[in-house]
Amino acid sequence: EPEVTQTPSHQVTQMGQEVILRCVPISNHLYFYWYRQILGQKVEFLVSFYNNEISEKSEIFDDQFSVERPDGSNFTLKIRSTKLEDSAMYFCASSPRRVQETQYFGPGTRLLVL
Amino acid sequence: GNSVTQMEGPVTLSEEAFLTINCTYTATGYPSLFWYVQYPGEGLQLLLKATKADDKGSNKGFEATYRKETTSFHLEKGSVQVSDSAVYFCALNDGGGADGLTFGKGTHLIIQP
Repeated sequence: EPEVTQTPSHQVTQMGQEVILRCVPISNHLYFYWYRQILGQKVEFLVSFYNNEISEKSEIFDDQFSVERPDGSNFTLKIRSTKLEDSAMYFCASSPRRVQETQYFGPGTRLLVL
Repeated sequence: GNSVTQMEGPVTLSEEAFLTINCTYTATGYPSLFWYVQYPGEGLQLLLKATKADDKGSNKGFEATYRKETTSFHLEKGSVQVSDSAVYFCALNDGGGADGLTFGKGTHLIIQP
């Protein structure tokens, strides 16, 4: 069964450094998403991406975040200058279409900012 | 705005016990409702979903019925197994144009043999 994959599974970085989290969505899906889960808190929507541009973003997704689909398979989340509060589990998801469609999630990348 | 409220965990049950995890929601549109499960060390997996009022989603012995009058989507299973130990998330997509899912905090379920 096709699945969403994410790399790395864990990342440790110093405050102020740039990180890139990578995802390979399911191949015939058209919508891609990033979510994050700070330890002990809810899973929160960050951004959705369709047709090579951002479709929707939450108020969490500020100027330090960016997303890109650099080729036909990868979908990346870049955090330009990490802060301590960016420490979280980051989930990538994809769906065939958008409205009320099931979103399929990857296993997550645990980011720790020191 | 949209919100999902789940019962606090952890919930600890013995094997073969009956399970209910409560979920209520607030949404502006006509939401689709989902239960996702996260097993230790893994990502979020869709467990079941319902897209309109009175629909029942079911999978792996779990069931949940979309109750519009009580704005609820409670998860039930008649006889739990140790392998059901996981974190369960209730979520909604409001169907009004928003892309992102709104999640509850998650309920940690522990099944003891």
